[in-house]
Amino acid sequence: DQQVKQNSPSLSVQEGRISILNCDYTNSMFDYFLWYKKYPAEGPTFLISISSIKDKNEDGRFTVFLNKSAKHLSLHIVPSQPGDSAVYFCAARANAGKSTFGDGTTLTVKP
Amino acid sequence: ETGVTQSPTHLIKTRGQQVTLRCSSQSGHNTVSWYQQALGQGPQFIFQYYREEENGRGNFPPRFSGLQFPNYSSELNVNALELDDSALYLCASSPDRVGANVLTFGAGSRLTVL
Repeated sequence: DQQVKQNSPSLSVQEGRISILNCDYTNSMFDYFLWYKKYPAEGPTFLISISSIKDKNEDGRFTVFLNKSAKHLSLHIVPSQPGDSAVYFCAARANAGKSTFGDGTTLTVKP
Repeated sequence: ETGVTQSPTHLIKTRGQQVTLRCSSQSGHNTVSWYQQALGQGPQFIFQYYREEENGRGNFPPRFSGLQFPNYSSELNVNALELDDSALYLCASSPDRVGANVLTFGAGSRLTVL
């Protein structure tokens, strides 16, 4: 039973437009959510996070939205740049325990 | 500030063999977690070590074992290798056990079991 799901394996957007990556979860005990970005031949790197007590967190071009009632979060990238092309993983934690990851979404930003 | 380093980067083993993967945590981090990432999937939690003791384990059999040393570096050992063990093994460190939400990952060790 996969507790964190990223239903879109891939997403392609034009440079300058908005990228929206989605993530759904099932475990109500998750209290902290993170997005990681992964380039080929590198480990995942932390991008942005949000606590369950908030519904939005912004960092430059990146904004994460959390809808607890729907158990859904999304990552918005505006404007998208070719360097943003990577695999994006959604992750969730419960009580500072292990991180549970989704299977990732491959984002391609076309120049 | 050095990041997380893992060795070896690639290795090939045959079914039934044993493998040891190594990880040096980021400076100042005392918690190490190991993840297995199969092709096309997200990282799956294997276990975590804090102050040289196992602190949480995922759904992996006992033939997956680990160690953490006083300098906070860590090893992942896998015995009796199976074909399905072929994956990227990621090590991640974090500053402490409580309240540490962000993981710093190494580039991984890619294991191929033939």
